[in-house]
Amino acid sequence: NAGVTQTPKFRILKIGQSMTLQCTQDMNHNYMYWYRQDPGMGLKLIYYSVGAGITDKGEVPNGYNVSRSTTEDFPLRLELAAPSQTSVYFCASSNIISSYEQYFGPGTRLTVT
Amino acid sequence: DAKTTQPTSMDCAEGRAANLPCNHSTISGNEYVYWYRQIHSQGPQYIIHGLKNNETNEMASLIITEDRKSSTLILPHATLRDTAVYYCIVRAGITGANSKLTFGKGITLSVRP
Repeated sequence: NAGVTQTPKFRILKIGQSMTLQCTQDMNHNYMYWYRQDPGMGLKLIYYSVGAGITDKGEVPNGYNVSRSTTEDFPLRLELAAPSQTSVYFCASSNIISSYEQYFGPGTRLTVT
Repeated sequence: DAKTTQPTSMDCAEGRAANLPCNHSTISGNEYVYWYRQIHSQGPQYIIHGLKNNETNEMASLIITEDRKSSTLILPHATLRDTAVYYCIVRAGITGANSKLTFGKGITLSVRP
């Protein structure tokens, strides 16, 4: 199993551009999450999903959108990128029975200038 | 979810036990204590969790005080690869909808040769 994969690894965006961060998991997990981590800080939850077709906001959803059309994929969309969105983005997944154990992807380092 | 308090940093010598403390004085009866760690530039990794009994797995031991207001993560024989940020997290339940984890700043453990 590849686990949780994220693309791209790095990206530089100009202010006002848009992009989609891709996340795929091959563990058949129902739950998926997007976090952001600013330098020297802990992770903050952006959005999460408890299954295909169901998403909900986390702590810091403004400026982002998500969709969950399949169990495997949970893309994160940034519209009108702003410097405040410069961060490292982590995707994670977990199963229902042991949802406390989240499996994280390697992260996407995004810079908005 | 109850908040946690951890020291900012600590270090220990390679081969010695690393004892990482965490205070969670407002923990509720149904809240578990979880530990994750994040090695530099990687996604967080689950280590261990417990409710009130001490727990041990292949990675670490978790000691929870009788009043459950604090806990200690023990890495019995620290190696250089254990250098990481360790997060103590308190969360209600282990399954279902309460699957979100709230990451604070964690404690930076530096293992010296």
